[in-house]
Amino acid sequence: DAGITQSPRYKITETGRQVTLMCHQTWSHSYMFWYRQDLGHGLRLIYYSAAADITDKGEVPDGYVVSRSKTENFPLTLESATRSQTSVYFCASSERPRGTEAFFGQGTRLTVV
Amino acid sequence: AQTVTQSQPEMSVQEAETVTLSCTYDTSESDYYLFWYKQPPSRQMILVIRQEAYKQQNATENRFSVNFQKAAKSFSLKISDSQLGDAAMYFCAYRGSQGNLIFGKGTKLSVKP
Repeated sequence: DAGITQSPRYKITETGRQVTLMCHQTWSHSYMFWYRQDLGHGLRLIYYSAAADITDKGEVPDGYVVSRSKTENFPLTLESATRSQTSVYFCASSERPRGTEAFFGQGTRLTVV
Repeated sequence: AQTVTQSQPEMSVQEAETVTLSCTYDTSESDYYLFWYKQPPSRQMILVIRQEAYKQQNATENRFSVNFQKAAKSFSLKISDSQLGDAAMYFCAYRGSQGNLIFGKGTKLSVKP
């Protein structure tokens, strides 16, 4: 399917476990982003990537790790999940010109118990 | 670091009336892009309108228009002839030279029939 897809859509994990959220886009967009959405905080940027093998920290990177070995994939890993990381996570992608629209995945609702 | 502020957590408008959502931002850059995104209950992020900072003319898209005041770093969204389907969370976003896309905390818009 064309577009940007996130998996899983829902995930429950235990405190201290490692969990990886997947993001895949079929457009070969240069830029990819990870956000978390929490009530009262809007969307906060965790990490972003301008191209394969190039990643940069956003506003709230602590506790998260990203990699981008292929243009189309941008996985987000919580190395040791904490309850404060319970959130809805969105992945997005856009073409290189900065004025272009960013397209978002459907989101992953992660609950850490 | 750039910041985006939406000072109205919630707004309400009567159907067919006009409403304006506020957004201010802080940046030292002169070349950047501004966006308004809509998020209905489905959680899907939908681009409403975009503005290029070097263009003085305010962007318009059908019933949606912006009031871009570069010197004041203000970027408000006006929705005319409000419809029930306009009820959603609205996010203001900034994209600067690094390519990162930063969002405000959002404004929840309710439309009364």
